[in-house]
Amino acid sequence: AQSVTQLDSQVPVFEEAPVELRCNYSSSVSVYLFWYVQYPNQGLQLLLKYLSGSTLVKGINGFEAEFNKSQTSFHLRKPSVHISDTAEYFCAVSDLMDDKIIFGKGTRLHILP
Amino acid sequence: DGGITQSPKYLFRKEGQNVTLSCEQNLNHDAMYWYRQDPGQGLRLIYYSQIVNDFQKGDIAEGYSVSREKKESFPLTVTSAQKNPTAFYLCASSIVGRGTGELFFGEGSRLTVL
Repeated sequence: AQSVTQLDSQVPVFEEAPVELRCNYSSSVSVYLFWYVQYPNQGLQLLLKYLSGSTLVKGINGFEAEFNKSQTSFHLRKPSVHISDTAEYFCAVSDLMDDKIIFGKGTRLHILP
Repeated sequence: DGGITQSPKYLFRKEGQNVTLSCEQNLNHDAMYWYRQDPGQGLRLIYYSQIVNDFQKGDIAEGYSVSREKKESFPLTVTSAQKNPTAFYLCASSIVGRGTGELFFGEGSRLTVL
């Protein structure tokens, strides 16, 4: 069975500073990996996804993530955050065999002025 | 504009009552999903459907029921058997394709049991 672990439930960071949100997964098969963002009282929207190919994936709003198979990680990074990045971020995984997508518990990003 | 519409956005229910949450999509997606979101617990899969007239239980299906009579619609009923139904419910859809598809989410329905 697949699982996703987001190691930090909350991450405070100053505006214009870099940020990394950590995600580790476990699966016995090859996987697809996703990061979603949720603004308050809204649904989720896709930031980026890794299906195959280059392990560095670029997404919307200046975010990027790197797939590391040996460490089973898919950490999300942004070199300089803005106040508008305040949101909850979810890592998700699905395997190649079905369309079930499993989410982590989320990391709440707080941008400090 | 294409998208997913969930209704109602807010719903209050007395204990012992069933309630049905609506989810409609005009994206022509085959797969639809219901997730439950609780603070600090992320999203947990309730039910999903990859094709009309077929659906599968997710991780927390007990106390819930669904139907998929039309491609566009995937209503969720929260029954009185659900012990702790107060939560934020999210509906999503995707193109069927071995998990490669992006999930498109509705704006959510917040259910409060009084």
